Amino acid sequence: GQQLNQSPQSMFIQEGEDVSMNCTSSSIFNTWLWYKQDPGEGPVLLIALYKAGELTSNGRLTAQFGITRKDSFLNISASIPSDVGIYFCAGPMNYGGSQGNLIFGKGTKLSVKP
Amino acid sequence: AAGVIQSPRHLIKEKRETATLKCYPIPRHDTVYWYQQGPGQDPQFLISFYEKMQSDKGSIPDRFSAQQFSDYHSELNMSSLELGDSALYFCASSHKQRDEQFFGPGTRLTVL
Repeated sequence: GQQLNQSPQSMFIQEGEDVSMNCTSSSIFNTWLWYKQDPGEGPVLLIALYKAGELTSNGRLTAQFGITRKDSFLNISASIPSDVGIYFCAGPMNYGGSQGNLIFGKGTKLSVKP
Repeated sequence: AAGVIQSPRHLIKEKRETATLKCYPIPRHDTVYWYQQGPGQDPQFLISFYEKMQSDKGSIPDRFSAQQFSDYHSELNMSSLELGDSALYFCASSHKQRDEQFFGPGTRLTVL
């Protein structure tokens, strides 16, 4: 079945640093979504990408839909403490008549450097 | 802007009991999805509804059932609860099955 491979699994950030994470798949996705989840809360949609090659920004966040439609990356510039959390990539399943239910990557956990 | 509402936020049940989780989608959203998230895991799709009809089914146990009502709210009914059902349960909604799904705050179910 479809799978999303997200990396890195975790990373530590210092305030002001830029952060980058990515998601790859062996199958094609027509949409890439990036969510952020705080502990015990629901995922919050950050960016949605719909076209191969699309580059979209949301404040300090920038995400790109890979040309092959099999990958996407998310960049966070000038990180601040509230960027801490778990970031998930997600895409709608598109086989067997599925109707858009999402599959998720395993997440990238952002923590503050001690 | 109005968001997805879920109730209750926390629920504690004993094994073999039943539980009902409720979800109120964003106004004018007609599609509801249910996901289960275990500790340290990513959300896993359970079931979805579009215009009050079941549209897709994922890894939902036979002990669970769900429906979407005429006002578009949805309920997830869980019976014969097991310890392994302890998890966060999220509802998400979208408009006309669009890929952008907006999640509620979740219900934390603990089965003792």
